[in-house]
Amino acid sequence: AQTVTQSQPEMSVQEAETVTLSCTYDTSESDYYLFWYKQPPSRQMILVIRQEAYKQQNATENRFSVNFQKAAKSFSLKISDSQLGDAAMYFCASLRNTPLVFGKGTRLSVIA
Amino acid sequence: NAGVMQNPRHLVRRRGQEARLRCSPMKGHSHVYWYRQLPEEGLKFMVYLQKENIIDESGMPKERFSAEFPKEGPSILRIQQVVRGDSAAYFCASSQDRTGGNSPLHFGNGTRLTVT
Repeated sequence: AQTVTQSQPEMSVQEAETVTLSCTYDTSESDYYLFWYKQPPSRQMILVIRQEAYKQQNATENRFSVNFQKAAKSFSLKISDSQLGDAAMYFCASLRNTPLVFGKGTRLSVIA
Repeated sequence: NAGVMQNPRHLVRRRGQEARLRCSPMKGHSHVYWYRQLPEEGLKFMVYLQKENIIDESGMPKERFSAEFPKEGPSILRIQQVVRGDSAAYFCASSQDRTGGNSPLHFGNGTRLTVT
């Protein structure tokens, strides 16, 4: 069974600064997918970024990038030039031919 | 192209009543997933359906909960004889194919169920 652990219940960042959210996972599979989802107060689940485990290159989407360490089973999210609109819950998730498995989330606050 | 539509957005039920949550997947999507989110928790998988078939219900409680995805119409998550512990946000997601990296999940905005 897959498990996903987010060890930071809450994080805060100054506007325009950079923040890194941590995620570790456990799977016995060699091929799988990893995701970060953002959930603002509206409750909508928004896909931020995804990574295929067979790809060594870290995924990047504008100000969002990941640090994927396959051997360490680590998948952290870096948010650069943080904006007030980035304030939300962030969920890490993993997938391997089974339903998406989520971590418990990290609440990110952005300080103006 | 409308996204995943869930209704109602909010639902209040008294203990013992039935709750029916509806989900219309994105156009062209035939795979539907239901997740439950308790306060301050991540989403927990409940059931995966493809048109008229339940593919995986390993996350669904054995009692009182059922789900369907008929040939015509939305997917329905039904909770009979609700209890306070059923209070949560219920999310529906859909995908074009069995979800994977090339067929990501698209989520609805959820239904918040409150049991009084």
